[in-house]
Amino acid sequence: NAGVTQTPKFQVLKTGQSMTLQCAQDMNHEYMSWYRQDPGMGLRLIHYSVGAGITDQGEVPNGYNVSRSTTEDFPLRLLSAAPSQTSVYFCASSSTGGGTEAFFGQGTRLTVV
Amino acid sequence: GENVEQHPSTLSVQEGDSAVIKCTYSDSASNYFPWYKQELGKRPQLIIDIRSNVGEKKDQRIAVTLNKTAKHFSLHITETQPEDSAVYFCAASNSGGYQKVTFGIGTKLQVIP
Repeated sequence: NAGVTQTPKFQVLKTGQSMTLQCAQDMNHEYMSWYRQDPGMGLRLIHYSVGAGITDQGEVPNGYNVSRSTTEDFPLRLLSAAPSQTSVYFCASSSTGGGTEAFFGQGTRLTVV
Repeated sequence: GENVEQHPSTLSVQEGDSAVIKCTYSDSASNYFPWYKQELGKRPQLIIDIRSNVGEKKDQRIAVTLNKTAKHFSLHITETQPEDSAVYFCAASNSGGYQKVTFGIGTKLQVIP
């Protein structure tokens, strides 16, 4: 049982480049989410999904896109990377979001230069 | 929306002493309060949670207390050990339906041998 698999683990981008962070879970969870972690700011919600075909914005959605074509996968796209997007990104899944344990991926350390 | 405040942001204790981390929340509809531990370079993982129908919950050296009236909850770690050194996040959410989870900013706990 792999849980939540997130790739890549590290990435360096140049300003203006685009990329996709991959996230997959094998627990048949309906709820998936993306967070960014910055020093002194905790875990801030970027986007979330309550099931295939359904996504919504979180606290800090600007500059990011998501889609949910299957229950298992929830990729995060950076459209045009900016230095302000330098952060550690975590994907998480849970059966229903609030009220249940969130399982996190291993994280992606992204640096935009 | 929900707002979760967590303090202190950093905490140093001598090995064997107790550590207490406190959180407050704003939304009276929140009824699920998990705590996550994140070791250096690792993903956050659930260590204990409490629901609003319970005032206290213990699991070996860790305990969580909840005061619904005052809208605050706390994590207590007794007989601290070096392996307790990590960042601890509190969170709050509503367990009804697919609800977002709001995290505190985290507390970096250092246990000094």
